[in-house]
Amino acid sequence: DTAVSQTPKYLVTQMGNDKSIKCEQNLGHDTMYWYKQDSKKFLKIMFSYNNKELIINETVPNRFSPKSPDKAHLNLHINSLELGDSAVYFCASSLLEPYNEQFFGPGTRLTVL
Amino acid sequence: AQTVTQSQPEMSVQEAETVTLSCTYDTSESNYYLFWYKQPPSRQMILVIRQEAYKQQNATENRFSVNFQKAAKSFSLKISDSQLGDTAMYFCAFMKAHSGNTPLVFGKGTRLSVIA
Repeated sequence: DTAVSQTPKYLVTQMGNDKSIKCEQNLGHDTMYWYKQDSKKFLKIMFSYNNKELIINETVPNRFSPKSPDKAHLNLHINSLELGDSAVYFCASSLLEPYNEQFFGPGTRLTVL
Repeated sequence: AQTVTQSQPEMSVQEAETVTLSCTYDTSESNYYLFWYKQPPSRQMILVIRQEAYKQQNATENRFSVNFQKAAKSFSLKISDSQLGDTAMYFCAFMKAHSGNTPLVFGKGTRLSVIA
């Protein structure tokens, strides 16, 4: 009965590789987000989707491409991984209105070697 | 743009004592929400407490309470009767209200250690 799930929880890969992180929510929410938590624990929004449409795209390199096949899923694909991409990536979801409390997934720790 | 500042990178407290974590924010918005999230070593983000800016009454959730000072743009978290399980990173966060799928803006966090 997990509300927001992410796979994998850990990802170790070499520089230059391409990888994907999957996110699914079973809360019936219409809005999903990706946040990045860096090595200093700072959390920052990357993307926001509403009903499969991209709404927010912060200044993220275009090597990062989110894809939302349906309202319950938001995947993050990363091309040509760099050392600086090492971080914990959190997926979250919420309803658009009236009060959009965000529920977080367990996070995916990405390590680029 | 909104900013959230947590001026205490680390704090410690004895078990059963009370501790207060500070948070200030900057915004020109009149309607917004403020949150405290807890992130234990498991790294799961757990919502501790939330406050609607239009409410004057301070939010309370069991041992957790806030001191919300809207004019001063201050939102501190008080943890009473601290327990070992309270050891975690605590993040203060801001969110605009009624603006669609607005993201959370986080502070840099305070690492709290509860000592036996």
